Amino acid sequence: EVQLVESGGGLVQPGRSLRLSCAASGFTFDDYAMHWVRQAPGKGLEWVSGISWNSGSIGYADSVKGRFTISRDNAKNSLYLQMNSLRAEDTALYYCAKDIGGAVAAAGYWGQGTLVTVSS
Amino acid sequence: DIQMTQSPSSLSASVGDRVTITCQASQDISNYLNWYQQKPGKAPKLLIYDASNLETGVPSRFSGSGSGTDFTFTISSLQPEDIATYYCQQYDNPLLTFGGGTKVEIK
Repeated sequence: EVQLVESGGGLVQPGRSLRLSCAASGFTFDDYAMHWVRQAPGKGLEWVSGISWNSGSIGYADSVKGRFTISRDNAKNSLYLQMNSLRAEDTALYYCAKDIGGAVAAAGYWGQGTLVTVSS
Repeated sequence: DIQMTQSPSSLSASVGDRVTITCQASQDISNYLNWYQQKPGKAPKLLIYDASNLETGVPSRFSGSGSGTDFTFTISSLQPEDIATYYCQQYDNPLLTFGGGTKVEIK
């Protein structure tokens, strides 16, 4: 059974940093691209970042480019999101998602999310 | 960047009705278009990938069509369990963009 468990969320002050983690199990992690997608309270889905199976292809939404860094450790079956210079508008539920293939294309399976609140 | 315009933003229909949602891309995206369902308080679920391919286990009343810039998502006979918000999403590797969502309610 595919499992994606996000962690690392919490309350953080504007301008500070936070690192999210996603522990994957139940599938061959290094066969699949992975994503971070967020959803602000009461709002729609916003894709944040994606990474191909071998980290050779990485993309970011304009809203986070230069502040967030996605990475993966295939030996540890883990996905990460380093979030720097956080802003109030980054407040959201952050989902980790598994693609349907090795390239960035579609979020085929989602975790339950970890909540990030940016506030002073 | 490619923008996705989804309409309507909400709709109300009766059980058994045919429901159609459209999604328009700001430029040609071939068939690189996916559709998701998100029920209240739950994580999204992929329903259709590459414009018209039904994900495994998804009921056949859901379908998708289109290519280029104009896409359609259809529920052939709305069921009570289909109450959710539906999103389109394009991919232009390594970038993805979601549409704004369509909230589907029962009349």
